[in-house]
Amino acid sequence: KQEVTQIPAALSVPEGENLVLNCSFTDSAIYNLQWFRQDPGKGLTSLLLIQSSQREQTSGRLNASLDKSSGRSTLYIAASQPGDSATYLCAVNTSGTYKYIFGTGTRLKVLA
Amino acid sequence: DGGITQSPKYLFRKEGQNVTLSCEQNLNHDAMYWYRQDPGQGLRLIYYSQIVNDFQKGDIAEGYSVSREKKESFPLTVTSAQKNPTAFYLCASKPGVGGSEAFFGQGTRLTVV
Repeated sequence: KQEVTQIPAALSVPEGENLVLNCSFTDSAIYNLQWFRQDPGKGLTSLLLIQSSQREQTSGRLNASLDKSSGRSTLYIAASQPGDSATYLCAVNTSGTYKYIFGTGTRLKVLA
Repeated sequence: DGGITQSPKYLFRKEGQNVTLSCEQNLNHDAMYWYRQDPGQGLRLIYYSQIVNDFQKGDIAEGYSVSREKKESFPLTVTSAQKNPTAFYLCASKPGVGGSEAFFGQGTRLTVV
């Protein structure tokens, strides 16, 4: 059974700092991994989608990497801003199913 | 604009009542999902549907029911058998199996009063 873990559960950093969020999964047979952002009381906004054949994806200040063999993904946020404060969730789509399995998220607070 | 619409945004239920949450998408996606989120936790899969007239139980299906009569609609009924229904419910869709991107609605917050 696929299990997804995110570390750390919460993170507080000063504005301008570069930071890394971690996501690990137990079954490496995946179609893709997707990173989302969730603001309090809101739905999920897709940030980056990495296919199983890819090593990384970039969008603006965000860079996500995928090491499928070791079951790990990282989300790198450069030059963090207070507007980046949110919960970040990763989800994996395990091969052979339609299921998306989520981690428990990392709550990020960027201090001005 | 294409997207996923969930309604209502807030819903209050008396104990013993069934309530239905709406999820509509105009993205022409085959697959649709319902997730439950409790405070400070990640998302747990309730039901998912790959195509019209077909759906599968997720990890926490007890006390819930769904239907998929139309491609664009996937309503979730929270029945009286669900003992702790107060939560945030999220609906998602994606084009199909494989490496496609999932899109989410803005959620429905259900509270038992």
